[in-house]
Amino acid sequence: KQEVTQIPAALSVPEGENLVLNCSFTDSAIYNLQWFRQDPGKGLTSLLLIQSSQREQTSGRLNASLDKSSGRSTLYIAASQPGDSATYLCAVVNNAGNMLTFGGGTRLMVKP
Amino acid sequence: NAGVTQTPKFQVLKTGQSMTLQCAQDMNHNSMYWYRQDPGMGLRLIYYSASEGTTDKGEVPNGYNVSRLNKREFSLRLESAAPSQTSVYFCASSEDGADTGELFFGEGSRLTVL
Repeated sequence: KQEVTQIPAALSVPEGENLVLNCSFTDSAIYNLQWFRQDPGKGLTSLLLIQSSQREQTSGRLNASLDKSSGRSTLYIAASQPGDSATYLCAVVNNAGNMLTFGGGTRLMVKP
Repeated sequence: NAGVTQTPKFQVLKTGQSMTLQCAQDMNHNSMYWYRQDPGMGLRLIYYSASEGTTDKGEVPNGYNVSRLNKREFSLRLESAAPSQTSVYFCASSEDGADTGELFFGEGSRLTVL
């Protein structure tokens, strides 16, 4: 059974800092990996989708990498801002198709 | 841009009562999903519908039923609510399967079962 782990569970950084969020998964046979953002009391917003054949994806200040063989992904946030404060979740789709398995999330606080 | 719309946003039920959570998407997506989110358990898939007219069980289907009414709408029904079903429920959709494209989520329905 696929298991997805996100470390750390919570992170507090000063504004302007570059930071890395980590995601690891136990079964490397995945179709894709997706990073989401969740604001308190809200739904999930898709940030980046990396297909299994890709190594990374970039969107603005966000860069996500994928190393399937080691079962790891990182989300890099450059020049963090208070508006980046949210919970970040990663999820993988395994070879069963429609089932996303989510990590527990990293709760990020960026202090002004 | 409505995206994925869920109703109701909040609901309180007594044990044994029934209710239906409604979900509609306006993106012409083929696949729709119901998840529940619990502290310490993350998001878990309850049911999904790969296309209009089909539904399949996810990780935690017990106690729930679903209906894919048409391409736009996918409802989740609790026939006899239990306190263990207290949770935040999210509906999501994708153009095709989750293995090909990103998922878009609604804002959630917060259900409390007393």
